[in-house]
Amino acid sequence: GDSVTQMEGPVTLSEEAFLTINCTYTATGYPSLFWYVQYPGEGLQLLLKATKADDKGSNKGFEATYRKETTSFHLEKGSVQVSDSAVYFCALRLMDSSYKLIFGSGTRLLVRP
Amino acid sequence: DGGITQSPKYLFRKEGQNVTLSCEQNLNHDAMYWYRQDPGQGLRLIYYSQIVNDFQKGDIAEGYSVSREKKESFPLTVTSAQKNPTAFYLCASSKSGDSPNEQFFGPGTRLTVL
Repeated sequence: GDSVTQMEGPVTLSEEAFLTINCTYTATGYPSLFWYVQYPGEGLQLLLKATKADDKGSNKGFEATYRKETTSFHLEKGSVQVSDSAVYFCALRLMDSSYKLIFGSGTRLLVRP
Repeated sequence: DGGITQSPKYLFRKEGQNVTLSCEQNLNHDAMYWYRQDPGQGLRLIYYSQIVNDFQKGDIAEGYSVSREKKESFPLTVTSAQKNPTAFYLCASSKSGDSPNEQFFGPGTRLTVL
């Protein structure tokens, strides 16, 4: 069935380090892909999205490219800040009539000053 | 400002009691969703509704019930039949249709069964 696999955390980095959080998916058809971020005790916020192969989503210095050939949507940021500490979720949107989201298990990022 | 509100933020319940979690949105979205989040895990879909007076079970609907009498509101009832109800509950909404419309999330309700 459809699924999303994320790298396990926590990921611990120093401020200004380069970030990569891996995400791969299994799905029929051509799903839309999303990255959401969750700060402690809060709901999820959309970080970026991509709707078709080779699309690059970007927001707040974060980027992810929809790679159909490798079924991946890895999240990257060139220089992380302490304020980026959060849990990041990769998700795909089913293209059937339900429009449901399938989430990965989340990756906790901790950025140290 | 448009958004999704969930109340209360923290909720405590005794075993054997039903409890209802509120979710309201003023985004004029047709679709609404309820998710459950357990520590260190992703989100699991409980119920969703794409239009007023209609809803479908998600992946873990047992022990839960919902209603969708108004477009703005999608309350979730956690019944005594839910064996392990302590969790963080998130409500979301989105536009419907074929566009890859993202889901917008509320701040969540943390339910603890005592």
